Amino acid sequence: KAGVTQTPRYLIKTRGQQVTLSCSPISGHRSVSWYQQTPGQGLQFLFEYFSETQRNKGNFPGRFSGRQFSNSRSEMNVSTLELGDSALYLCASSSVGGRGNEQFFGPGTRLTVL
Amino acid sequence: AQSVTQPDIHITVSEGASLELRCNYSYGATPYLFWYVQSPGQGLQLLLKYFSGDTLVQGIKGFEAEFKRSQSSFNLRKPSVHWSDAAEYFCAVARNSGGYQKVTFGTGTKLQVIP
Repeated sequence: KAGVTQTPRYLIKTRGQQVTLSCSPISGHRSVSWYQQTPGQGLQFLFEYFSETQRNKGNFPGRFSGRQFSNSRSEMNVSTLELGDSALYLCASSSVGGRGNEQFFGPGTRLTVL
Repeated sequence: AQSVTQPDIHITVSEGASLELRCNYSYGATPYLFWYVQSPGQGLQLLLKYFSGDTLVQGIKGFEAEFKRSQSSFNLRKPSVHWSDAAEYFCAVARNSGGYQKVTFGTGTKLQVIP
């Protein structure tokens, strides 16, 4: 089985721009979660999607949004980029999304905002 | 609310020495507990998990962890560290919330292995 894939792996944007990141979960996994990882804040939960519905959301501003498609692929979008949005964005998929099922992580997308 | 504390930001051990990484959690009920490892520039890989039952859990790459309810701890151990174990290690706790799980990660412990 192929693992979780994320595209692109690296992105450089400037302040004020917007960006879309993509995540393809493991085949058969319906839950996709997004995390932001920075040296200062560590791993922070952004949101989780299950069967095209956002089920859980972290404490991030409305500039951060996401969606999930019928094939479980997910995208996250960040509008009006700020310097502080520079981070590694990780996507994780799991088979059910509940009862402690383990998450499988992708390699991440490294976003740099200049 | 649940929380996870990894008190050691950096740990340095000699190759071949034993390793213990500390993790303390705060959660009212029996938690689901995980240890993940992250190599530079990579995503997280699950080392082991605890849901219930035997409190000593075996994982991949020779790691094990012990759940101690009385101490609210889930420390990761390895009897003999290899240079390839140098990475960052994250402890995580999950709880069910409205039928799905909510995961909280610790801040991570960076492991350096010296020859």
